[in-house]
Amino acid sequence: QSVLTQPPSASGTPGQRVTISCSGSSSNIGSNSVNWYQQLPGTAPKLLIYNNNQRPSGVPDRFSGSKSGTSASLAISGLQSEDEADYYCAAWDDSLIGPVFGGGTKLTVL
Amino acid sequence: QVQLVESGGGLVKPGGSLRLSCAASGFSFSDYYMSWIRQAPGKGLEWVSYRSSSSRYTNYADSVKGRFTISRDNAKNSLYLQMNSLRVEDTAVYYCARDSAEMRYCNSTSCQPHYYYMDVWGKGTTVTVSS
Repeated sequence: QSVLTQPPSASGTPGQRVTISCSGSSSNIGSNSVNWYQQLPGTAPKLLIYNNNQRPSGVPDRFSGSKSGTSASLAISGLQSEDEADYYCAAWDDSLIGPVFGGGTKLTVL
Repeated sequence: QVQLVESGGGLVKPGGSLRLSCAASGFSFSDYYMSWIRQAPGKGLEWVSYRSSSSRYTNYADSVKGRFTISRDNAKNSLYLQMNSLRVEDTAVYYCARDSAEMRYCNSTSCQPHYYYMDVWGKGTTVTVSS
């Protein structure tokens, strides 16, 4: 059972906008920044969004992140087939004194 | 280029031991916190342990505390994970990751960050614990 809560699945059609939610508590998302990771099938995770809404170099601006209170969201606009992947949110947890992950959301492009 | 390469995975019996290694290149290894993260078959990501750049600070997930030991050799640009008393539930792909972090404050035992994220990941090494 993961500390952060994500929906297990999400889906959309090409060109559509989809959002993935991530819910936590005051000890993690409520007091620390949120990061998102993308894991394409059979590959290692890759940093997608850091510090709530910052994109690393090379990540398309179709990907955006936001945070409010103890929840965060990842939005993907102009959905493409290559976006089909597992997405994980993460944040530092002040009580556990370490990073915690969400259970992951499997995004299917229909 | 920036790269992390894990090694040392394999098949081990319950109760056995294994030592994982992570070789870093392309960046100043001694400047960064480093972490191990694992992923059981068909499951999500689970943080295992981190070690600070100078080795002053270390922490472990409760699931491995007392059985796993993280270490690093900055002269060799290498991170290690000594895994003892292995259990079937430790079966997973183990990833080494570089942590980008700025600490808000530190006390004698731990630090709290302004921000903390894993910005570089290795390809992983597979550990299978089975009789």
